[in-house]
Amino acid sequence: GQQVMQIPQYQHVQEGEDFTTYCNSSTTLSNIQWYKQRPGGHPVFLIQLVKSGEVKKQKRLTFQFGEAKKNSSLHITATQTTDVGTYFCVSGGSNYKLTFGKGTLLTVNP
Amino acid sequence: NAGVTQTPKFQVLKTGQSMTLQCAQDMNHEYMSWYRQDPGMGLRLIHYSVGAGITDQGEVPNGYNVSRSTTEDFPLRLLSAAPSQTSVYFCASSRGRFGQPQHFGDGTRLSIL
Repeated sequence: GQQVMQIPQYQHVQEGEDFTTYCNSSTTLSNIQWYKQRPGGHPVFLIQLVKSGEVKKQKRLTFQFGEAKKNSSLHITATQTTDVGTYFCVSGGSNYKLTFGKGTLLTVNP
Repeated sequence: NAGVTQTPKFQVLKTGQSMTLQCAQDMNHEYMSWYRQDPGMGLRLIHYSVGAGITDQGEVPNGYNVSRSTTEDFPLRLLSAAPSQTSVYFCASSRGRFGQPQHFGDGTRLSIL
């Protein structure tokens, strides 16, 4: 998979605030997946984006894939303490070599 | 279904020792992979397999061997453990080609003294 950069590395919010993490690549991505890892846990699949400009929603989570397929974002509306964890974007291609971004650690102050 | 099962959950080794981390899945997934996770580094792909008898190297393969004799099992071998291999190791599986969700095991926390 192609290299992806995630920002920010850390984000601390008050409960109820919104949160956004960004995933950027210098090359066009075939598709992108997002995972969440709770502290002490394992990554759990959230969503996959394939099409240019694609937007998908899961309750308070909104995922976007850029028009040029070089960037993606995850936005959480009105964060809750259950949203705590590290969010990873993952790029991959036809060669099965999947590349994880370094992740954004979200902490939420109740 | 158990999903992806990794054993052991914790292990402490001395430098130079060898060991095998076990990974088994009961979902009949073709694709299996091993990652290591280090603080601030995210997950890095060690080796992967697209089916029984087929393996290939990922980003950080040195010091590790794998084999895939059955669809269900994908063990990871550390040949001669080094302190730099202290990490959390995750095994994952998915169905078919890229784009399918990866299912992760609970991880093996490995310390090498």
